Amino acid sequence: EVQLLESGGGLVQPGGSLRLSCAASGFTFKSHTMTWVRQGPGKGLEWVSCISRSGGDTFYADSVKGRFTISRDNSQNMVTLRMNNLRADDTAVYYCAKRKVGDTWNPIDYWGQGTLVTVSS
Amino acid sequence: DIQMTQSPSTLSASVGDRVTITCRASQSIAKWLAWYQQKPGKAPRLLIYKASNLESGVPSRFSGSGSGTEFTLTISSLQPDDFATYYCQEYNGNSPRTFGQGTNLEIK
Repeated sequence: EVQLLESGGGLVQPGGSLRLSCAASGFTFKSHTMTWVRQGPGKGLEWVSCISRSGGDTFYADSVKGRFTISRDNSQNMVTLRMNNLRADDTAVYYCAKRKVGDTWNPIDYWGQGTLVTVSS
Repeated sequence: DIQMTQSPSTLSASVGDRVTITCRASQSIAKWLAWYQQKPGKAPRLLIYKASNLESGVPSRFSGSGSGTEFTLTISSLQPDDFATYYCQEYNGNSPRTFGQGTNLEIK
């Protein structure tokens, strides 16, 4: 059974930093691109970042570029999102997600349950 | 960046109804479109990928169609469990993989 377990969320002041982690199990982690998606309170889904299978390629939404860093450890089946210079509009539930494989481009097929990040003074 | 526009934003329907949700892309995305269902407090669930492929375990009353810039999600006969919010997402490339704004399907 695929499991994605996020941790690291919490309350942080504007300008602060936070590190989110996602522990993966139930699939061959190193074979899948991993993604972070967030959802602000009462809002829709926003793609945040993804990282290739090897970790050599990373991509970011313009809204987080230069502030967030995604990384992965294939030996530990873990993906991490380091968030710096946090702003109030970064307040959201952050979901870790895995992509399907098998085609030129692949959608997300599994999501974790999310971890809440609140940026407030 | 590609913009994704869903319509309607809210849809009121009854059990047994046939409903259709539309998603339009600001430029062609071929068939690189997915549909997700989300219930309150829960993570999204993949329903349809590559515009018309039904994800494993998803009931056959869900179907998707379209290509290029216009796509639809159809539920052939609404069941009580289907009342939720639905999102489309383009995945024509690695980033930014934009979502539509969502369609809230509510009980009439």
